[in-house]
Amino acid sequence: KAGVTQTPRYLIKTRGQQVTLSCSPISGHRSVSWYQQTPGQGLQFLFEYFSETQRNKGNFPGRFSGRQFSNSRSEMNVSTLELGDSALYLCASSSAGGYTAKNIQYFGAGTRLSVL
Amino acid sequence: GQNIDQPTEMTATEGAIVQINCTYQTSGFNGLFWYQQHAGEAPTFLSYNVLDGLEEKGRFSSFLSRSKGYSYLLLKELQMKDSASYLCAVRDPGGYQKVTFGIGTKLQVIP
Repeated sequence: KAGVTQTPRYLIKTRGQQVTLSCSPISGHRSVSWYQQTPGQGLQFLFEYFSETQRNKGNFPGRFSGRQFSNSRSEMNVSTLELGDSALYLCASSSAGGYTAKNIQYFGAGTRLSVL
Repeated sequence: GQNIDQPTEMTATEGAIVQINCTYQTSGFNGLFWYQQHAGEAPTFLSYNVLDGLEEKGRFSSFLSRSKGYSYLLLKELQMKDSASYLCAVRDPGGYQKVTFGIGTKLQVIP
């Protein structure tokens, strides 16, 4: 079974630009979550999508948005990039069973975004 | 919300045992995870606790006390490849997959 695939692996952008990151979850997984990882803040939750609907959202500005397609693939968009957006962006998928289920998240290798 | 505390760095000797602690303050709780992350790689799942007690899996064990808001990850027979960051994470009861991570404990295993 293929793992979580994120593309591209590396991106360099300049301030003010926008960027779109892609995530293909493990086959059969319907939940996709996005995280931002920086050395000072660790992993911070951005949002979670399930069945094409945003189910949870972290404390990030509206410049960060996402969507999920009918095949569970997800994209994340960041508009008007700032220097502070430089980070590793990780996507995680899970089978998202019932509320009390373990629902382990499996992570992709991430997209490293550098904003100049 | 969730607040998770864990030590930033630890050093241990190959072959030894190390315990990485995690404390959390939450308005609710629906499970605690431990993940391992090698430098430049994706986090990988190690353990999950939702009830009090010890979960053992090979060289790795994880303990949870919900009343104390406390967990630890125990690594036995340390190997050089165990040098990595260990992330403690708590799932929010209000959402299926809203998970708050601690900043991670960077473990260095020395010969």
